[in-house]
Amino acid sequence: ELKVEQNPLFLSMQEGKNYTIYCNYSTTSDRLYWYRQDPGKSLESLFVLLSNGAVKQEGRLMASLDTKARLSTLHITAAVHDLSATYFCAVLDDKIIFGKGTRLHILP
Amino acid sequence: DVKVTQSSRYLVKRTGEKVFLECVQDMDHENMFWYRQDPGLGLRLIYFSYDVKMKEKGDIPEGYSVSREKKERFSLILESASTNQTSMYLCASSIIGLAPDFGPGTRLTVT
Repeated sequence: ELKVEQNPLFLSMQEGKNYTIYCNYSTTSDRLYWYRQDPGKSLESLFVLLSNGAVKQEGRLMASLDTKARLSTLHITAAVHDLSATYFCAVLDDKIIFGKGTRLHILP
Repeated sequence: DVKVTQSSRYLVKRTGEKVFLECVQDMDHENMFWYRQDPGLGLRLIYFSYDVKMKEKGDIPEGYSVSREKKERFSLILESASTNQTSMYLCASSIIGLAPDFGPGTRLTVT
């Protein structure tokens, strides 16, 4: 059974700091997705990672995928308050399974 | 952009009622999904479908059924609603292998 584990589940950080969210999974999939969810809203797709070594960046967010380690990271650079949200990773196996999410709170 | 719509944003039903949640996508996607989202549990897959009239169980199918009679529409059915089915229900659709696009969600309360 595919398991997807994110950590941390909750993160409070100061503006301007860097941090990384980790997503570990238990299958040999090479497709991983990152989503953002704002309170009361649905999920918005951020990144699609399709192969080992894939790296995608948009603004202050950068996602990477290491399929050998079964690990993806979402790195936040110089955090700003607008990045406060819950971030989910999801892995494609024979179905798409989500992690529990990382609730990110950035203090002004 | 893909548009995924769900029939209701908020729904209140009584225990034992049969409940239908409808989802429609307008981009001819093969895959459609139903998830439920609960605090601390993330998104859990209920059912998914790769084609018309096809369905596959997800991780928590008990108490639910689905119907996909047309490619654009995927319905989730609660045969006899119970209070533990109070949740946010999210529908999504995708092309094979790509990230699903989500609908706005239906917040269902069963009293």
